[in-house]
Amino acid sequence: AQSVTQPDIHITVSEGASLELRCNYSYGATPYLFWYVQSPGQGLQLLLKYFSGDTLVQGIKGFEAEFKRSQSSFNLRKPSVHWSDAAEYFCAVGSNQAGTALIFGKGTTLSVSS
Amino acid sequence: KAGVTQTPRYLIKTRGQQVTLSCSPISGHRSVSWYQQTPGQGLQFLFEYFSETQRNKGNFPGRFSGRQFSNSRSEMNVSTLELGDSALYLCASSPPAAGLGVEQYFGPGTRLTVT
Repeated sequence: AQSVTQPDIHITVSEGASLELRCNYSYGATPYLFWYVQSPGQGLQLLLKYFSGDTLVQGIKGFEAEFKRSQSSFNLRKPSVHWSDAAEYFCAVGSNQAGTALIFGKGTTLSVSS
Repeated sequence: KAGVTQTPRYLIKTRGQQVTLSCSPISGHRSVSWYQQTPGQGLQFLFEYFSETQRNKGNFPGRFSGRQFSNSRSEMNVSTLELGDSALYLCASSPPAAGLGVEQYFGPGTRLTVT
């Protein structure tokens, strides 16, 4: 069965430091992968997506993610974190059923310290 | 272009009642999906509608149902509410070339509390 694992429930990073959020997926074919961010009381905002091609994808707000098939990973990175990046981050994989259903990880809460 | 809108934003219901939530997708989007978000289970897919037809369904009981109208607006209904139905219900729409791997754009959600 398809699944997404985000091993870190909560991460604290100092403002200005680099960030890497981990995501591992289980999928039988070429996956469609996404990262979303959710601020308190808000819906989800798409940060970036991977469908095929270049394994390093750029997103909004200075985020990037690298697809590694051999490790079944799609880790999110940012070189310098800002206080406004504090939020919950979700990795998702496109379901192999018809349609656009997404399977989400449990999320990683990012706190930013000054 | 306006984003996905959901009404109402907050709702309090009593066990045994039913509730209807509404979602208006981004203009031009024909696919609408619904998700339930709870602290314990996280984000779970409920169902998807495309051109007024249910295209995909998650693993939820029949008390959860939905429909889509010709203008792509969607409603979901939960009958015989249980305490465990308390959650944030998120609606998402996708661009016209809907299929595997197409990104979804989410609304702000409806916070349902069942007492």
